[in-house]
Amino acid sequence: SQKIEQNSEALNIQEGKTATLTCNYTNYSPAYLQWYRQDPGRGPVFLLLIRENEKEKRKERLKVTFDTTLKQSLFHITASQPADSATYLCALAPMNTGNQFYFGTGTSLTVIP
Amino acid sequence: GAVVSQHPSRVICKSGTSVKIECRSLDFQATTMFWYRQFPKKSLMLMATSNEGSKATYEQGVEKDKFLINHASLTLSTLTVTSAHPEDSSFYICSASTGTSGSPLHFGNGTRLTVT
Repeated sequence: SQKIEQNSEALNIQEGKTATLTCNYTNYSPAYLQWYRQDPGRGPVFLLLIRENEKEKRKERLKVTFDTTLKQSLFHITASQPADSATYLCALAPMNTGNQFYFGTGTSLTVIP
Repeated sequence: GAVVSQHPSRVICKSGTSVKIECRSLDFQATTMFWYRQFPKKSLMLMATSNEGSKATYEQGVEKDKFLINHASLTLSTLTVTSAHPEDSSFYICSASTGTSGSPLHFGNGTRLTVT
């Protein structure tokens, strides 16, 4: 069956450290993988997109890697701040759709001051 | 830019009644809109994809007669939960896309539906 799993439900880290979140998928051939942030009671907000032929993308303190051999994406937040505390979701779009995104289970990140 | 407005934000209805949820893209034309459902502390489950002017495509296991979707214009899609039951209580979120492959999804702030 198709699955998109994020490695932990909750992650606590100290302010200033790098947070690393994992997204693993099975039985998908994604053309695109995106990361979103979701705050309680709100809709997700888009952060980064990476294509299946790209290895790494960066945006300010955020970095995403994509390994289609391992079927895994890593999402890094460097110099983390308490304001980064939220749930982070990975989402992928299969090659035969392109814009239909299926979401992972989510990781709740708490950055401790 | 890329604002999506979803209404109502909360609704409580009695079992057996129908509820309509609206999703509007305020500052862009949304060729495609998606409806998701989210259970507490769970991820978003894609329910259906709607393209302007055509019938929605439902994911496996989603009852199309129960969850009616209309996408009459490039800025408006509606989801109607018909004959609602308590098990339909959930957080429903719409998202809009320009339709280009890989383009970001712009989400509304969701509707908390409680069926009593």
